[in-house]
Amino acid sequence: SAVISQKPSRDICQRGTSLTIQCQVDSQVTMMFWYRQQPGQSLTLIATANQGSEATYESGFVIDKFPISRPNLTFSTLTVSNMSPEDSSIYLCSALPDRGRDGYTFGSGTRLTVV
Amino acid sequence: LAKTTQPISMDSYEGQEVNITCSHNNIATNDYITWYQQFPSQGPRFIIQGYKTKVTNEVASLFIPADRKSSTLSLPRVSLSDTAVYYCLVGGRPSGAGNMLTFGGGTRLMVKP
Repeated sequence: SAVISQKPSRDICQRGTSLTIQCQVDSQVTMMFWYRQQPGQSLTLIATANQGSEATYESGFVIDKFPISRPNLTFSTLTVSNMSPEDSSIYLCSALPDRGRDGYTFGSGTRLTVV
Repeated sequence: LAKTTQPISMDSYEGQEVNITCSHNNIATNDYITWYQQFPSQGPRFIIQGYKTKVTNEVASLFIPADRKSSTLSLPRVSLSDTAVYYCLVGGRPSGAGNMLTFGGGTRLMVKP
């Protein structure tokens, strides 16, 4: 199955600043996804990122706050913009390999703390 | 997307078989059932996927009755390292934009010595 390298693994940021999270997949994938997970809670989908098209955002998430890039079939970034303490969370990327039967692969997550 | 309902938590002991049942009454004809495992500070990891009847792999079995309104993940002879959160998800295989994973609350399994 595909392997995703996600970085940074954690960061502490000042409010009002922005953080860009990167995900690199070791194989080409058509669809990538970004999730947010509060500690002890389930995952909430932020957006779907397909190469060559605009990201599709879920209700409650907007492009100005969470701009996403998908420059090629193996890479994506999520930026958390103008951060506030409410943005403190774990952010995960995910991909569905174009081949294989092992379901979606997830990165190890980025633990973000906004102070 | 079909909603799923799972027990919030379960306790077990090492060596026991654990069965976690998930309800998905509104499953659609083209939906698959997938289970993921998540350890603290890690992303979810694929365990098993099925469409109907029974699927078995090296780590688990998945039982799906004929009406597909529920499914049961079976973990044989659990060990302490199986302590994790288990998520049941229902959705179709992606064929284009819009077919993503929706996570329910998950089941927190605690395996005791």
